[in-house]
Amino acid sequence: GESVGLHLPTLSVQEGDNSIINCAYSNSASDYFIWYKQESGKGPQFIIDIRSNMDKRQGQRVTVLLNKTVKHLSLQIAATQPGDSAVYFCAENAGGTSYGKLTFGQGTILTVHP
Amino acid sequence: DVKVTQSSRYLVKRTGEKVFLECVQDMDHENMFWYRQDPGLGLRLIYFSYDVKMKEKGDIPEGYSVSREKKERFSLILESASTNQTSMYLCASTSLVEGKDTQYFGPGTRLTVL
Repeated sequence: GESVGLHLPTLSVQEGDNSIINCAYSNSASDYFIWYKQESGKGPQFIIDIRSNMDKRQGQRVTVLLNKTVKHLSLQIAATQPGDSAVYFCAENAGGTSYGKLTFGQGTILTVHP
Repeated sequence: DVKVTQSSRYLVKRTGEKVFLECVQDMDHENMFWYRQDPGLGLRLIYFSYDVKMKEKGDIPEGYSVSREKKERFSLILESASTNQTSMYLCASTSLVEGKDTQYFGPGTRLTVL
């Protein structure tokens, strides 16, 4: 089965609201995590990443939180816009000699209503 | 910016045909990956390569082969296409030089096998 998963497959928000997308992972050896955004018909696009020695990292309108105790990752999007509507994936890398292989979650569909 | 390109956005082939999917990256990345993406199954790794002429099987290599003759190019080959290989195919590349395993994706090839 999947070692990286999502609690909610869909999320609908109003424009201007904040969005929170959650992800659970099972491999305690994972040391690097990434969030991707995938718009319809396009390839996944890197949003933000975080290493296991951090618990929070901020980007432009996005924040990733990592809770290693409960193996939980979240993506927060501030002031969500219609252009944020997409599928969001989390991914983890167990490190070591994995050649950069990632394990991906199923994805959450974010819909932003104007 | 990293750029990963794929030879075709849409492709229609017939059962039994040999199919070539090409991927090129312009960032001198060592590692390259081929995934297929299907509804409900997420991203599944077919093959990856960590150096020229080197390849490793991913999670679902059956029915596929790959070629990496040059560092920037990674080809996925369907020796005899079958209808169950209808899918979205995504190529990605990553460099481990900076210690980050962020994979950068191409736009995808939507393959239909009739």
